[in-house]
Amino acid sequence: DGGITQSPKYLFRKEGQNVTLSCEQNLNHDAMYWYRQDPGQGLRLIYYSQIVNDFQKGDIAEGYSVSREKKESFPLTVTSAQKNPTAFYLCASSIGGLVQPQHFGDGTRLSIL
Amino acid sequence: DAKTTQPPSMDCAEGRAANLPCNHSTISGNEYVYWYRQIHSQGPQYIIHGLKNNETNEMASLIITEDRKSSTLILPHATLRDTAVYYCIVRFNLQHNTGTASKLTFGTGTRLQVTL
Repeated sequence: DGGITQSPKYLFRKEGQNVTLSCEQNLNHDAMYWYRQDPGQGLRLIYYSQIVNDFQKGDIAEGYSVSREKKESFPLTVTSAQKNPTAFYLCASSIGGLVQPQHFGDGTRLSIL
Repeated sequence: DAKTTQPPSMDCAEGRAANLPCNHSTISGNEYVYWYRQIHSQGPQYIIHGLKNNETNEMASLIITEDRKSSTLILPHATLRDTAVYYCIVRFNLQHNTGTASKLTFGTGTRLQVTL
């Protein structure tokens, strides 16, 4: 079945450590997105990518980095510069364009040790 | 971004229609309304979207008022599995030099509880 796979489901980070969250899609979608969700709140956009080798900052990009070397993969690195990284991270993809809906993975929950 | 307003919670009896309202009075002419739902600890699930005409699919119906300032999501026969947080979103278009993308700005949504 086609879909979006995020791994791991749960991740723990030590102080000063960088961690990378994986997002893979086999939907042949051009656009991919990373959102962050805090308890009881909506989603906020971290980074997005419209095509391979291109990505743009969203509303809360500080402390995060991404790469888009392959169409199907859009990993997110939470760096030590992100001072409040504990959250639920969601990856999404869409065919592209302005109308097509975004489809989401099941998320990675990141916590600080 | 066009702001949306939804009631924080609603209840619905199983088998009855669930009607979830949303206000988006600042929506502009080319912005679409999207509905997603999220079950605890899962990713949001796309339900339906529309511009100005009413829409229906296998999951739900979307009714948009003529002035486009509000909409209603209808789940015709709610089941216990429809218990979730429902988000009404006006899609914001992002422009950059390699093309266009869009941002979904999720608010806090409506928590729908379907009961026996």
